[in-house]
Amino acid sequence: GQSLEQPSEVTAVEGAIVQINCTYQTSGFYGLSWYQQHDGGAPTFLSYNALDGLEETGRFSSFLSRSDSYGYLLLQELQMKDSASYFCAVSFDQTGANNLFFGTGTRLTVIP
Amino acid sequence: DGGITQSPKYLFRKEGQNVTLSCEQNLNHDAMYWYRQDPGQGLRLIYYSQIVNDFQKGDIAEGYSVSREKKESFPLTVTSAQKNPTAFYLCASRDKTNYGYTFGSGTRLTVV
Repeated sequence: GQSLEQPSEVTAVEGAIVQINCTYQTSGFYGLSWYQQHDGGAPTFLSYNALDGLEETGRFSSFLSRSDSYGYLLLQELQMKDSASYFCAVSFDQTGANNLFFGTGTRLTVIP
Repeated sequence: DGGITQSPKYLFRKEGQNVTLSCEQNLNHDAMYWYRQDPGQGLRLIYYSQIVNDFQKGDIAEGYSVSREKKESFPLTVTSAQKNPTAFYLCASRDKTNYGYTFGSGTRLTVV
């Protein structure tokens, strides 16, 4: 079967840096994505890593280590609006449909 | 502006009734997906379609049906065979040149 593990909850202070980890065990692997979802809202795409290393997009960075089956999302200069759930998702479908298998999400709470 | 429209936002149905959730996109995306989200859980794939008149089952297709008669539309029918239909349903689409999904705002279905 497929499994993704990420912490269920993380709390951090406004202005700080927080790292959300994701480890995966899947039958195949093409890439790791990250999505943000505010309560009751639609998930929004944040990043995608297919190769090892760090990808930076503004305050958000995402890292992947294929050999360790591990990735993380790094959020810098935290703002109150960053309070949301963050999901890692693995692409492993070989048909090219890029179906995603999602983790159960990490609820980030940013406190003043 | 382009996007994905899901309607209605909230839907109540009696047990044993079929119900159809609408999903329309004007992004000219080829691939479309339906996911189900339960409280505190990740997203689970119900069905997906890569081109018009073609679709495949996802991980939890039992009790659901879809059609893809037009590129813009991918409606989901929740049938009476679905044992636990109360959930948040999310439709998404993807351009084949990108990895990120664009999600609709979701339909919250409650079966009483």
